Amino acid sequence: EIVLTQSPGTLSLSPGERATLSCRASQSVSSSYLAWYQQKPGQAPRLLIYGASSRATGIPDRFSGSGSGTDFTLTISRLEPEDFAVYYCQQYGSSRTWTFGQGTKVEIK
Amino acid sequence: QVTLKESGPVLVKPTETLTLTCTVSGFSLSNARMGVSWIRQPPGKALEWLAHIFSNDEKSYSTSLKSRLTISKDTSKSQVVLTMTNMDPVDTATYYCARIFSPQGHFDYWGQGTLVTVSS
Repeated sequence: EIVLTQSPGTLSLSPGERATLSCRASQSVSSSYLAWYQQKPGQAPRLLIYGASSRATGIPDRFSGSGSGTDFTLTISRLEPEDFAVYYCQQYGSSRTWTFGQGTKVEIK
Repeated sequence: QVTLKESGPVLVKPTETLTLTCTVSGFSLSNARMGVSWIRQPPGKALEWLAHIFSNDEKSYSTSLKSRLTISKDTSKSQVVLTMTNMDPVDTATYYCARIFSPQGHFDYWGQGTLVTVSS
């Protein structure tokens, strides 16, 4: 089973700053099957990025995804107040199972 | 408009069996490209994928929980049902259902979630 490790656990930044979140897989992941979600307190996760780099419908272009193989990155170019949340990466594997990372919390510094 | 809504008990006792229902609208479970997963999240913790049912009725389960889970669907009722046996307090979590539009591997629509507490 593929394990996804996200870093850092918490990112303390100010509005307007750039956020870089990492997701590392224990073995190679197809880029087609790597996604990122945003979750705010009391809400369901919201799809941000799929296929490692494609933005979901309605997602602002300050969110971007990149990476391949075992290393993937979510970048928020300039943090807006509404971007402070927890972010999860997720993969779908050849064994027809899904896994999530443990999450990165982006908090206001 | 695609929606998913979870329903089920808010409180179950240890050793009992949990049955949760996901009622979907805005798409058909008989559509060859539609699948639904169950995902849970203990309070303050990360998301954990549990089970998935594909459009052709094939099922997939989390390796660690496979022996306790059963997923099924009733296409005529637009419902996906998850049962989890032998509930324990560590199973206290918000349980979500979410849609996959095959052959994609990501969850594009989620239900609001339902909090299930396991306590005697």
